[in-house]
Amino acid sequence: DAGVIQSPRHEVTEMGQEVTLRCKPISGHDYLFWYRQTMMRGLELLIYFNNNVPIDDSGMPEDRFSAKMPNASFSTLKIQPSEPRDSAVYFCASSLGQGYSNQPQHFGDGTRLSIL
Amino acid sequence: AQSVTQLGSHVSVSEGALVLLRCNYSSSVPPYLFWYVQYPNQGLQLLLKYTSAATLVKGINGFEAEFKKSETSFHLTKPSAHMSDAAEYFCAVSDGGTGRRALTFGSGTRLQVQP
Repeated sequence: DAGVIQSPRHEVTEMGQEVTLRCKPISGHDYLFWYRQTMMRGLELLIYFNNNVPIDDSGMPEDRFSAKMPNASFSTLKIQPSEPRDSAVYFCASSLGQGYSNQPQHFGDGTRLSIL
Repeated sequence: AQSVTQLGSHVSVSEGALVLLRCNYSSSVPPYLFWYVQYPNQGLQLLLKYTSAATLVKGINGFEAEFKKSETSFHLTKPSAHMSDAAEYFCAVSDGGTGRRALTFGSGTRLQVQP
């Protein structure tokens, strides 16, 4: 089975540019999560979706960040304009929905973002 | 609100020695607890999960964890460390019963295995 697929794996861009990160969840999973990992703050939840609908976006840092899930097999996280402090590894994860919140989340390999 | 504390950001053991990585949680409702492992330049991989069926949980690669409600702990152990166990380990909690799916992660423990 294919796991969670993220692209690109690495992104280097200049401050002020728009950045788009992409994620394909595991087929059949109806929850999708975006996390950010930094040395200073560890792993932080940014937003999560259920059946393509955003459920909790309280972790999104500011209006420069936006996330969409137009269908069950694709999600994007966009930063516009980007700033050096956005440099981090961004992870996408997905999980099944049945039962309570004991379903494990399956992570992609992440996108390492560097804003110069 | 829920939280996770991992004691020790770095742990070093000799190959063949016992591995003990500590995790304490805080949750207002019965928690679901997870341990994940992260190898360099990779995503997180599930090691094991506690979901109230049994207090001693066995995971992959010989790891296990014991849920102790009285101590609010979920420590990860492995009887004999292998060089391939060198990685970063994260404990995570989600609210059991509230339906909220997000995980709260600890700050991680980097395990070093000495030959």
